[in-house]
Amino acid sequence: ELKVEQNPLFLSMQEGKNYTIYCNYSTTSDRLYWYRQDPGKSLESLFVLLSNGAVKQEGRLMASLDTKARLSTLHITAAVHDLSATYFCAVDAGKLIFGQGTTLQVKP
Amino acid sequence: DTEVTQTPKHLVMGMTNKKSLKCEQHMGHRAMYWYKQKAKKPPELMFVYSYEKLSINESVPSRFSPECPNSSLLNLHLHALQPEDSALYLCASHPGGLYNEQFFGPGTRLTVL
Repeated sequence: ELKVEQNPLFLSMQEGKNYTIYCNYSTTSDRLYWYRQDPGKSLESLFVLLSNGAVKQEGRLMASLDTKARLSTLHITAAVHDLSATYFCAVDAGKLIFGQGTTLQVKP
Repeated sequence: DTEVTQTPKHLVMGMTNKKSLKCEQHMGHRAMYWYKQKAKKPPELMFVYSYEKLSINESVPSRFSPECPNSSLLNLHLHALQPEDSALYLCASHPGGLYNEQFFGPGTRLTVL
């Protein structure tokens, strides 16, 4: 059974700091997605990573994929309060398998 | 039109009621999905329609009945639900091809009393 594990599950950080969220998965896949979800809202697509070594950046967020290590990272640079949300990674294994989600709280 | 829409936004129903959730997209996507999401949990796949045919049913109880009347519309019919079915129900669509992501609708917040 494919498992997708994120860590940490909860992250409280100060504005201006850097941090990384990790997403490990248990089977071969070269398609991984990152989504953001605000409380009570739907999922917003952040990044689509489609090959080994893929790196994508948008603003203060950068995502990467290492298919050999079965690992994706979401790096936050100089966090701001607006980044507070829950972040999900999802692996495409014929259907999307989501990680548990990482709730990010950025404090002033 | 580049979005997935869902109605209603909120729904409160009793355990004996029959109601339906509606999802619509006009992006020409040929795959559509229903997910259930409980608080502080990831979305759980319920059903997948591909080219208007049910392709995946994740062992969902029969009190949930999906319907895809055409390529733009997806319904979820609800009957005799239980309080534990209260959740956010998300619809998504996919354009096809291996290298595209799913697009999610805003969701319907369902409360079963």
